[in-house]
Amino acid sequence: EVQLVESGGGLVQPGRSLRLSCAASGFSFDDYAMHWVRQAPGKGLEWVSGVSWNSGDIGYADSVKGRFTISRDNAKNSLYLQMNSLRAEDTALYYCAKCRDGSMVGAPDYWGQGTLVTVSS
Amino acid sequence: QSALTQPASVSGSPGQSITISCTGTSSDVGSYNLVSWYQQHPGKAPKLMIYEGSERPSGVSSRFSGSKSGNTASLMISGLQAEDEADYYCCSYAGSTSWVFGGGTKLTVL
Repeated sequence: EVQLVESGGGLVQPGRSLRLSCAASGFSFDDYAMHWVRQAPGKGLEWVSGVSWNSGDIGYADSVKGRFTISRDNAKNSLYLQMNSLRAEDTALYYCAKCRDGSMVGAPDYWGQGTLVTVSS
Repeated sequence: QSALTQPASVSGSPGQSITISCTGTSSDVGSYNLVSWYQQHPGKAPKLMIYEGSERPSGVSSRFSGSKSGNTASLMISGLQAEDEADYYCCSYAGSTSWVFGGGTKLTVL
C-alpha cells in the first residue's frame, strides 16, 4: 500500500524558513517523480513543485520560484521542500504526491494527508 | 502559469449525468493529452479519478469519464450518487516541467 507521510509544518514568522519532509513507503520510490501541491484554507489546489525520479528535471510554480527548493533522497525514500523567505500567502496545507511514472509528465496519483504551514507574526 | 478555468459549482439529482468543464490554453490543455481530474471530499486528500484525459485508474467507477476538445477538457459523471458530492479539480501539464490546476468545482447532489 502506498503511504506518504508529510511532516515539518508549523507556525513560522514572515521571512523565516521551514523544511518539509515526506516519507514514502509501499512502492519503489526511486522509480517515480514526486510533487508538492498546496491548498490554502478554504481554497483550491495549487501545484508548487515537482522532481523527476533522478532529480534530473525539477520545476517550480512562479509563485515560489527562487524561494523554495525541492529535493529528494532516494536512499531514504524521502522528498523535501525547503521554503525560504516565507510570506503570509504561503499559508496552506502542503501535500506530497507520487506521480504515475518517473518523469514529470506523469499525473500525481497518490497523495499524503498534508502538513499545515502557517506564516504569521 | 494561470489557473485553468472551471465552473464554481454544478448540481444534479441522483441518477442524472453532469459535466464539469476545464478550460485552459494552447500552452497547457490544448498542447498535451495530460489532463487529470481529482475528487476531494471535505477534510480529505484528493483522489485521482481520470488521467491522460480519459483514462481511469483501477478502482474508479466507470461512471466517471473524461474527454478533451481543443483547449477544454471535460469530466462526465453519469448515474449521480450521493457520495459523488465533493469538490473536483482538473490539472494539466503545462510544459517546461510545470503543472497547473483548475480553481475547482463544487458538485452538489440534490
